[in-house]
Order: sequence, then structure tokens, then C-alpha cells
Amino acid sequence: DIQMTQSPSSLSASVGDRVTITCRASQGIRNDLGWYQQKPGKAPKRLIYAASSLQSGVPSRFSGSGSGTEFTLTISSLQPEDFATYYCLQHNSYPFTFGPGTKVDIK
Amino acid sequence: EVQLVESGGGLVQPGGSLRLSCAASGFTFSSYWMSWVRQAPGKGLEWVANIKQDGSEKYYVDSVKGRFTISRDNAKNSLYLQMNSLRAEDTAVYYCARGGVVVAATTPGDYWGQGTLVTVSS
Repeated sequence: DIQMTQSPSSLSASVGDRVTITCRASQGIRNDLGWYQQKPGKAPKRLIYAASSLQSGVPSRFSGSGSGTEFTLTISSLQPEDFATYYCLQHNSYPFTFGPGTKVDIK
Repeated sequence: EVQLVESGGGLVQPGGSLRLSCAASGFTFSSYWMSWVRQAPGKGLEWVANIKQDGSEKYYVDSVKGRFTISRDNAKNSLYLQMNSLRAEDTAVYYCARGGVVVAATTPGDYWGQGTLVTVSS
């Protein structure tokens, strides 16, 4: 199975900060990766698919990059509604695997 | 409006069975891969299974193979997860999710249900 790691596991940031989250795959997965945001008690929401494509309706302050084994999710200017947990998901091979998550909270 | 509504969760004893349902509306259900994703209390997300549009392909995480069965009824716009031989570690909120339109079609995409809680305990 492909193992996904994320760093950091948590971070504290202020409104307006630029935030970067990294996801690494244990083997190459091309660009078969998505990023999801989850708020407490809510279903996840996909932000990015195919590593760098913005899901329709998602604000442009979110962006994704990377290919192969290293990927990043960047929030260019953190907004109050962005405090949440973020997960990556690889779908290059079965079983699909999520990263352990990165919790973004208020500094 | 796209809607996915899960049902069927509840309390079950270890070794028992449960069948989850996901009722879909607002889109052409038969055109999309569908997935189940779960989240144990206080833990991260875990992909469980997915199924192709016509049901001809099904994939599972290793921990549920042989115990869980994903299925769909396109005439009823419904997705199912039959869960047998349940264990305490299956305790989680189970979400159904629609696949993507073209790119990343097999993965949980832009629409998810609200989730249904399964608790396995004696």
C-alpha cells in the first residue's frame, strides 16, 4: 500500500498568513492526489484534484502543486473560515490512502 | 441540487451485521463512481471502498475485505455498504461520496453525505 505522510501535523497561524502544507507519498503517484478540508462535525470538502486543479467554487487563495512523491497545498492569505483540518488523498493505486491530516488553528 | 443522504447506522454488537444506505438525488447516479469513507471518533479519514458506475468493479481497503460489500442499485439511485463480522475498530462515521466528473472520477469528489455513525460495542 502507498503510505501518505503530511507535515506539519498541526500549525497555528494568523488571519492573512500564507500557509503551506506538505504531503509525501511512499512511492511515485504521478499527480493522482487530492486535497480535502474538514471542519469539526462536518463532511470533508474537496479543494484540489489532480494535484493542482482547483475544485469549482473553491476560493482562488487555495492552490496545489507537486508531482511524483511530494505535494503542497498553499493558502495564500488565511481567512477565518479556513481554520480546519486538511487531508491529502492518493488515488494512484488501490487501496486509496489519506494522509494523517494537518490541523490549522488560530494563533 | 445534489444530495447524498446516508442511513442505517447504529449500535451493533461485535460480530454483528449492518447495512448502510446512501440515497442520491439531483444528479444522474448511474454516471458516477461512488465511494464510502469512514472516520473513527477523533481520528483521520479512511477510504473504505468504491464502485464503478455499473457495479462491475469494486475495490476495498484491506481491513474490510471479505467482511464488507459495496453495491449499488441504479434504478433506486442508491448506494449500499453491507458490513458483516463487525469489530470494535469499525466504529466510525461512514460517509458516502460521489466521484469526480472526468478527472479523478474514481475518488471521493465534490459531493459528500452528512455521515452515519456506526458503533460496534457490547
